[in-house]
Parts: sequence; structure tokens; C-alpha cells
Amino acid sequence: GAVVSQHPSWVICKSGTSVKIECRSLDFQATTMFWYRQFPKQSLMLMATSNEGSKATYEQGVEKDKFLINHASLTLSTLTVTSAHPEDSSFYICSARSVGRVAGELFFGEGSRLTVL
Amino acid sequence: SQQGEEDPQALSIQEGENATMNCSYKTSINNLQWYRQNSGRGLVHLILIRSNEREKHSGRLRVTLDTSKKSSSLLITASRAADTASYFCATDPYPSGSRLTFGEGTQLTVNP
Repeated sequence: GAVVSQHPSWVICKSGTSVKIECRSLDFQATTMFWYRQFPKQSLMLMATSNEGSKATYEQGVEKDKFLINHASLTLSTLTVTSAHPEDSSFYICSARSVGRVAGELFFGEGSRLTVL
Repeated sequence: SQQGEEDPQALSIQEGENATMNCSYKTSINNLQWYRQNSGRGLVHLILIRSNEREKHSGRLRVTLDTSKKSSSLLITASRAADTASYFCATDPYPSGSRLTFGEGTQLTVNP
């Protein structure tokens, strides 16, 4: 099956620093990738839809200047948490949909656990 | 906004028993999907059922969809301890191409 790689799998940083998380589709091209946030024992909350070559579409209540998304190629999207604070600590998961598939299953990365001290 | 609601929130059964999880949603859908998540891991796609389908099987999994009631169920037969995980339904709203919206999930524990 299709593989999505997410890096780093965990990161600890000091408050005020910025953290970049990468999401790569390893064996398929993805025009669209999705970034989710998940708190412990809760569901996934969609943060934004990342579109290759264009600006990301953010969900209501998600600060675009706080969570910078760049989808520079058909296989890579990055999420940068800028000036991170302890309340940004969470599990961030990306997913991708294969090119040409308008609907259908998503392929998920293994997630990145961010802890902000 | 999250539109999937699942019940039960938690389910604990013995190995060999069947596990049934339900999902309700609010808007029209193109398809509904079920995913599994082991603790601290990413999600794994289990099965997709289209809006014009009523039932689908995959191994020990059986999914039903009732679009008139806007509900779906996931049945895992002959459960195993390795089935212990969180299970989420996700709706792909009509028209297609929109982003998936996940339910709250059911935490399944299968005791050996």
C-alpha cells in the first residue's frame, strides 16, 4: 500500500521556538495533503488542507500565521509551528490522497508528537 | 466541524467475541470510511463503503451503511487481542473531493 512518512516522530522544544514537521508520500504523488491535530483520547481535528503549488486552506479557528504550511512538491508538505507554546503540545498527523483520486481512502503518516516546554 | 458521532465510546470484550461499533453523521456523503489507530500511531484505513452500498466485507470486518438513518456500523468478528485499538469512522461529504471528517472514535479493548 501507499506509504506516507512523517518526520520527526517526536520533538521537544522550548517555548518560543519554531518546529517544522515534514510529511512525505514515498511511493505516490499527492496533490492534496491534510494536517490534523489530535489531543489525548480525542478524535482528529482537521487543521488545514495543503495544496501543491498553492496556498493552504485553513479550518475555522486555525491561525495560518501560527501554523505555516508549505506544499512545495507533489510528495512533500511541511507544517511549521511558529513561536510554539505549551498549549501547542499535541499529536500532529498528516495524510495524503493520491493524485487522480478525488475521493477515497487517505494514507496517514505515523504522526509527530510535539511537546513544548 | 466534526460530524461523526460514534458509540460506544469504549468497548471491552473477551477474545473470540464480536465487537460492534456504530457511527452516525449529519450531512450527505459520498462515502464513509473506517480507520484504526493504535495508541500513539497514525491511522490505518480499514474499509470504505460508498453511499450506494449497504454492506461490505473485508476479512473479519463487516460494515453496513444506512443512508436513510445516516448511520454505519463496523462489526469485527472473532476478535483478537491484537484488535485492541481506537476505531474511527470518517465521512467524505458530498460532493466528493472534500476533506474527511472524523468521528470521536471507539476505544476497543480485547482481553485475552
